[in-house]
Amino acid sequence: GQQLNQSPQSMFIQEGEDVSMNCTSSSIFNTWLWYKQDPGEGPVLLIALYKAGELTSNGRLTAQFGITRKDSFLNISASIPSDVGIYFCAPNFGNEKLTFGTGTRLTIIP
Amino acid sequence: SQTIHQWPATLVQPVGSPLSLECTVEGTSNPNLYWYRQAAGRGLQLLFYSIGIDQISSEVPQNLSASRPQDRQFILSSKKLLLSDSGFYLCAWSIGGDEQFFGPGTRLTVL
Repeated sequence: GQQLNQSPQSMFIQEGEDVSMNCTSSSIFNTWLWYKQDPGEGPVLLIALYKAGELTSNGRLTAQFGITRKDSFLNISASIPSDVGIYFCAPNFGNEKLTFGTGTRLTIIP
Repeated sequence: SQTIHQWPATLVQPVGSPLSLECTVEGTSNPNLYWYRQAAGRGLQLLFYSIGIDQISSEVPQNLSASRPQDRQFILSSKKLLLSDSGFYLCAWSIGGDEQFFGPGTRLTVL
């Protein structure tokens, strides 16, 4: 089966810093989605990417669909306390199922 | 607009007891429906998905089963819970299979 690697596993940053995380795979995907999960809640969709090379922004969030279709990154600029949570990449082959990364846990140090 | 509900929000059950978790979706028709389990501090594991009434696909062999008696209702069940069934259970829906939208989850603790 395909391998999906998400890194880093965790990040400890100060408020105002920029954040970068990525997912890489040995397989080619048709879609890359990025979700955020707050403690005790369901994941919320942040950004959806549908074309290789596509760069999409949603406020302070920017994500790109890698040109090889095997990777994607998510950047958060000028982090704020509400950015704390777990971020998941979730690519799709084009069938009914998503493959979820292992998550990046973001913590903001006061 | 579409909404997804899950209940109960939390559940504590003894080993060997039965389980029934319910998920309902409003504001859409013929959605794909999904059950995931998330262990503490871990990623999401797909358990079941359904593309229509009484059409259920199981992703991993386990102690659980799923049913879809109505278009927008998805039920997760077990006849006898194991300690390893503890976790955070999430239901999700999609139209077309790409973007999935998650419910609030059910925290299950098996003692």
